[in-house]
Amino acid sequence: LAKTTQPISMDSYEGQEVNITCSHNNIATNDYITWYQQFPSQGPRFIIQGYKTKVTNEVASLFIPADRKSSTLSLPRVSLSDTAVYYCLVGCYGNNRLAFGKGNQVVVIP
Amino acid sequence: NAGVTQTPKFRVLKTGQSMTLLCAQDMNHEYMYWYRQDPGMGLRLIHYSVGEGTTAKGEVPDGYNVSRLKKQNFLLGLESAAPSQTSVYFCASSPTGARTNTGELFFGEGSRLTVL
Repeated sequence: LAKTTQPISMDSYEGQEVNITCSHNNIATNDYITWYQQFPSQGPRFIIQGYKTKVTNEVASLFIPADRKSSTLSLPRVSLSDTAVYYCLVGCYGNNRLAFGKGNQVVVIP
Repeated sequence: NAGVTQTPKFRVLKTGQSMTLLCAQDMNHEYMYWYRQDPGMGLRLIHYSVGEGTTAKGEVPDGYNVSRLKKQNFLLGLESAAPSQTSVYFCASSPTGARTNTGELFFGEGSRLTVL
């Protein structure tokens, strides 16, 4: 299983852009990078997935450098409701064994 | 559309008791997973299934058994509960494991289990 390393926690002010990093030095050729968001007492929720370069959807952007050993989730103009734990996962869905790391607790401050 | 439903949502057991957690999904997904989440540990995969009648071990399978007799249901069993199994358990499903699919995991709301 490809392991991921994320900062434990970070704070951000409301309205700012938040960039959350993830290291995955042993990522394999077939692995995709997926980010999930988890609120207290809820299951994680899919945010975005990518393989290389940049992916953008209505919620976030995902930046992946050429070596793919890291990735950055960017949340534009965060609000208080974006306070959550964010997980970076690396794996190939073909082997069905995606490993969650410990996640990054993001706290949005008014 | 209910998505992924877990029952029960809360349960308290005594050491040595047995119980079964039920996960049901109505999205016709092939793959289903059981995770446990402990404070500061993130989510750890217990067992998973790639289709009806199949199961496989994840990262932390000891002390648990699973069954996937029907495509829509994935059962997690504790034969002899231990305090170390106190945790929040999450079930998830995904439509396929193919590279061409997003493989998005859909999670239930969790089942909080306390073993005294």
